[in-house]
Amino acid sequence: EAGVAQSPRYKIIEKRQSVAFWCNPISGHATLYWYQQILGQGPKLLIQFQNNGVVDDSQLPKDRFSAERLKGVDSTLKIQPAKLEDSAVYLCASSVRGGRKEYFGAGTRLSVL
Amino acid sequence: GIQVEQSPPDLILQEGANSTLRCNFSDSVNNLQWFHQNPWGQLINLFYIPSGTKQNGRLSATTVATERYSLLYISSSQTTDSGVYFCAVPALMNSGYSTLTFGKGTMLLVSP
Repeated sequence: EAGVAQSPRYKIIEKRQSVAFWCNPISGHATLYWYQQILGQGPKLLIQFQNNGVVDDSQLPKDRFSAERLKGVDSTLKIQPAKLEDSAVYLCASSVRGGRKEYFGAGTRLSVL
Repeated sequence: GIQVEQSPPDLILQEGANSTLRCNFSDSVNNLQWFHQNPWGQLINLFYIPSGTKQNGRLSATTVATERYSLLYISSSQTTDSGVYFCAVPALMNSGYSTLTFGKGTMLLVSP
């Protein structure tokens, strides 16, 4: 069974630039999550999708972050414009449905200079 | 919101030693997950354990939901066990859906 795929693995940008991350969840998983993990901390949920609908985005900085999951499969997370404090690892995870066992991708490490 | 505390924050072991990691949580939960984050950043789900005890090879986990804690046991540790161990519990959001809240993790280093 293929795992959660994410790209790119690494990204370096300057502040005020834009960046986008892509995630392909495990086939058949209805729920998709985007997390932000700052160095030395546990992952923090940014947004949760159930199929192609958002079920929670209370911790997403909506003035600069956006995410979509068209067709209920792949998802993209965008930051525009990036700030220095956005430097972190962005993790995508999926589960069969909300509240069940979550499987994580390898993450995208973002450095904002 | 729910609070998740893990102890110890750091642990250094000699290869072959056993260890116990603890996770305390502040509210009742209907499940708990343990993860291992390897030095390359990959998070692996070790256990989905609402209550009771589960075993997977040298690892086992016990959750006592009524007392709001979970333990992760690592026996005969190997260098490949190094990394950060996180526990995570669901928190009910205003949307009616649950999202995971992670602890700060226990960083484990197993030396040869």
